[in-house]
Amino acid sequence: DSGVTQTPKHLITATGQRVTLRCSPRSGDLSVYWYQQSLDQGLQFLIQYYNGEERAKGNILERFSAQQFPDLHSELNLSSLELGDSALYFCASSGGSRTGAIGELFFGEGSRLTVL
Amino acid sequence: AQKITQTQPGMFVQEKEAVTLDCTYDTSDQSYGLFWYKQPSSGEMIFLIYQGSYDEQNATEGRYSLNFQKARKSANLVISASQLGDSAMYFCAMRVMNTGGFKTIFGAGTRLFVKA
Repeated sequence: DSGVTQTPKHLITATGQRVTLRCSPRSGDLSVYWYQQSLDQGLQFLIQYYNGEERAKGNILERFSAQQFPDLHSELNLSSLELGDSALYFCASSGGSRTGAIGELFFGEGSRLTVL
Repeated sequence: AQKITQTQPGMFVQEKEAVTLDCTYDTSDQSYGLFWYKQPSSGEMIFLIYQGSYDEQNATEGRYSLNFQKARKSANLVISASQLGDSAMYFCAMRVMNTGGFKTIFGAGTRLFVKA
């Protein structure tokens, strides 16, 4: 158990719809990262938050948005869903210290989104 | 541009033999970290091993070792005495500084099949 909690584990929805994925980081971790993994592909970095602030952005579509709340949980909002958005969405967290720790990511179990 | 390249989409190894999974990286940063993660068929991401850019010794963790060749920008994972449970997807990743924090990018992965 990594300590990172993601909900829901599975989600099936239709094209054009909007969904929200939720992530609770490990206790004490200030950084939250979101990744998208399409079928049999690598992890594409979407966005990173640190203590409520956006810190890095990857290949995140404009239809997607995220935020990190004061209690450090994060939500990834996906709107106007398309078939190609079907993927496993991972949340990961890392240590509160920006230096010193090796900075490995602790991953949740992922939220598998299927768009029909 | 910062990039991780894994050129082996799939690898086969006989049980109890050693196998090397290739990883090359590209960054102009002097300080960075290199990671390997394992993703079994169940989907979770498991941290295996870490190498810092300033570490002179190759990292080892049990049956895993990281063959770090800085001048060649390679960070190959060596798994000794392969076991059937090692069959999984393996991702090489690089953590680099980004505006305001760190960013971790992943390669496309190598799927390892261990034969009995």
